[in-house]
Parts: sequence; C-alpha cells; structure tokens
Amino acid sequence: GAGVSQSPSNKVTEKGKDVELRCDPISGHTALYWYRQRLGQGLEFLIYFQGNSAPDKSGLPSDRFSAERTGESVSTLTIQRTQQEDSAVYLCASSLALSSSYNEQFFGPGTRLTVL
Amino acid sequence: GENVEQHPSTLSVQEGDSAVIKCTYSDSASNYFPWYKQELGKRPQLIIDIRSNVGEKKDQRIAVTLNKTAKHFSLHITETQPEDSAVYFCAASHPNSGYALNFGKGTSLLVTP
Repeated sequence: GAGVSQSPSNKVTEKGKDVELRCDPISGHTALYWYRQRLGQGLEFLIYFQGNSAPDKSGLPSDRFSAERTGESVSTLTIQRTQQEDSAVYLCASSLALSSSYNEQFFGPGTRLTVL
Repeated sequence: GENVEQHPSTLSVQEGDSAVIKCTYSDSASNYFPWYKQELGKRPQLIIDIRSNVGEKKDQRIAVTLNKTAKHFSLHITETQPEDSAVYFCAASHPNSGYALNFGKGTSLLVTP
C-alpha cells in the first residue's frame, strides 16, 4: 500500500524567503509527526498532531516555524524568513494512534531544504 | 524533557561478528523504545522496538534489552552482514508527549567482509 509521501523532495531557497513543505500520511493514521535532521545528525522532534486535538508544538525551534493539518490528512510545515541554519532534511511520520499498543511511526522520504 | 544518549557514534566490525549499541534515557515516564535503521539517503526504518513491560525482545539476528532501573537499553546484532551497514538510531518516547520520538545521535555501523 501507499506509504507516507512528502513534497517537494528537494527545495532550494534564498535566505529570507518562506517555504512550505507537505506531508501525506498513511490513510487511517491519526497521529502525524514532523522531525528535522541536519546533515550527519540525529532527528529532532518538531511538532505532532493527533486527530482533532491541539497540536504539540513544543519542539518548534522558533516562531518562524508553524504547521497545520486538515483533519486526519495532509499536513504542511511552513518556515518563514528562512535562515541558513534551517537547511536540513524535514521528515514526516505517521502512526495509527497514540493510545494503541502498536504505535510504530512510518517515515516519509523527507524534503531536503537548502537555504542559500 | 527527555534526553537520549547513544554510544558509540561509530562502530566497525567484521562480517559474522556481533555489534552492540547502547542508549540511555533520562525520563522515567518513557515507556516505548524503538530502534531505526537509516541507510544513506533513505528514510529511517523501524527494525525492532520494546516496551517498558518487557526486558528483552528478539527478532532473528536482532535483539533489544531494556533495564528500566538503570534507564538504559541496547541493540544487539549477531552474525553481522555487510548489508547491516547503516546508521542506527535509538529513541525513547512516552504517552505524555504523544509518543513523539526523542532520538539519540546515531551510530554509524560498518560491517566489513
């Protein structure tokens, strides 16, 4: 079946511009997560959505970062006034449910963002 | 918040040998500990996970052990093969944070023929 998809796969932008990254989770997955992976580093949690509950934004590094999710489907991560330190791979993951005993997160292929 | 430490950062073994990667966590509320394998340029893939109600789990050549008292967990790969070469990440999570994963910094494993 279809896995998590993300678009674009690559994005090159100039410092100061806004970018929007998209994630399509696996159908039926109520939980959706965004992570950031800088070159050669581990993954940093950014934000998660669970159903219609308010998202947990505790991992967002600054107020330039925001994310939205429409119901239990597509999510977009927006970075305003991009800085060079925002360059990274942005990974989206989805899972069935938070309260389930089975909560494996399935990752998308990521969006590689380069800020010049 | 949760802090996950992972060691070693790099590990080189000969084919057929065992590899062990160790992680510690700080938040005693964490109760779910997955391990992900990430090949170069690819997305992370879950290889095994363990919950805090068990101390050990095994899946063929891969096993994970958990010591809740000491707050550490380890990945064991036996009879390593060149295709095991990748970066391995441990993570810890708990329901209070929606099972958001707190990752270690990763271990780059190289298995030489």
